[in-house]
Amino acid sequence: DADVTQTPRNRITKTGKRIMLECSQTKGHDRMYWYRQDPGLGLRLIYYSFDVKDINKGEISDGYSVSRQAQAKFSLSLESAIPNQTALYFCATSDPLQGAGTDTQYFGPGTRLTVL
Amino acid sequence: DAKTTQPNSMESNEEEPVHLPCNHSTISGTDYIHWYRQLPSQGPEYVIHGLTSNVNNRMASLAIAEDRKSSTLILHRATLRDAAVYYCILRATNQAGTALIFGKGTTLSVSS
Repeated sequence: DADVTQTPRNRITKTGKRIMLECSQTKGHDRMYWYRQDPGLGLRLIYYSFDVKDINKGEISDGYSVSRQAQAKFSLSLESAIPNQTALYFCATSDPLQGAGTDTQYFGPGTRLTVL
Repeated sequence: DAKTTQPNSMESNEEEPVHLPCNHSTISGTDYIHWYRQLPSQGPEYVIHGLTSNVNNRMASLAIAEDRKSSTLILHRATLRDAAVYYCILRATNQAGTALIFGKGTTLSVSS
């Protein structure tokens, strides 16, 4: 079974709709991240969380919100979807006990979101 | 942040070794060199990392230049499954838990 899962894997929605992407992990990691990837570009950080009570904005948080329901669950919401939010979305986790500079991030399979 | 430079693309034949270069001339003494790869339609996956010494694991080897201004990811016997985008990323010791900064990486094609 995959350690980091994302649902849904694909989603088509319309402009103005609210949509939630979910991420679950069985790795027992405290740190979780949401990235988006646009064609031909690298991944950009949207939000991250170091534990259940800690939420931080990333590089491109406008138009997004997150919820850390438990150590294992981190959800990303688009309050009112717009076409330029069409992208691949990835969730990732990491273990702070791995040590500074060496922490590995483990990624989910991604959600392909299309906003019409 | 220190930057990395990688070739846009490389080609290899199956079962041959592949050497993927990365230049990081402005690397600082506390920067670790990480490699990730992204297979088609999948999320990135960790490959290997190192600080100063060469490193080996089951996936690949990492050769780091003595001056640390460049490194090379070595796939000893490429398979079709190794076709992916490979990213060389620098991580400072004070960046634990922060975002990975992905550049455009090197797209590796493997032919049978």
